[in-house]
Amino acid sequence: EPEVTQTPSHQVTQMGQEVILRCVPISNHLYFYWYRQILGQKVEFLVSFYNNEISEKSEIFDDQFSVERPDGSNFTLKIRSTKLEDSAMYFCASSAWTGGKNIQYFGAGTRLSVL
Amino acid sequence: ELKVEQNPLFLSMQEGKNYTIYCNYSTTSDRLYWYRQDPGKSLESLFVLLSNGAVKQEGRLMASLDTKARLSTLHITAAVHDLSATYFCAVDSYGQNFVFGPGTRLSVLP
Repeated sequence: EPEVTQTPSHQVTQMGQEVILRCVPISNHLYFYWYRQILGQKVEFLVSFYNNEISEKSEIFDDQFSVERPDGSNFTLKIRSTKLEDSAMYFCASSAWTGGKNIQYFGAGTRLSVL
Repeated sequence: ELKVEQNPLFLSMQEGKNYTIYCNYSTTSDRLYWYRQDPGKSLESLFVLLSNGAVKQEGRLMASLDTKARLSTLHITAAVHDLSATYFCAVDSYGQNFVFGPGTRLSVLP
């Protein structure tokens, strides 16, 4: 069964460093998303991406964040200068939006620890 | 701004018992999704509810949607330990992103 894959599974970084989280969405999906989940809290939307551009973003997604689809398969989230409060689980999701359904399939997540 | 609430937030129940988790949301939507998350794991899609009165069942779980009341329920029948997880509802308000509820952490005790 096709799945969304994310790498790395765990990233440890120093405050102020740049990190890039990588995702390979399901191959025939056209809509891509990033969410984050601070430990023990709810899942929060960061950004959605369609047709090579951002379609929606939340207040969390400030100038420190950027997304890119550098080739036909990868979808990346970059945090330019990490802060302690960026420590969270980051989930990538993709969907096909068919028949009025937007079933988003989630990857296993990248746990980001900022020290 | 769309807000999604769930109750209870924590639920501890005995095996074999029935219980219902409630999901309320604040603005009009007819697309609601239920996900399950095991500790340290990703989100697994359980149900997609796309219209008023929609009811879906899978095993011991049944989900329903009342768009007029802006309420979805997830009913657990004869709970077993394997159902222990956190359950999230998510509402799609005609945008592309989901707004998730805070989650209900379910523990099923032997």
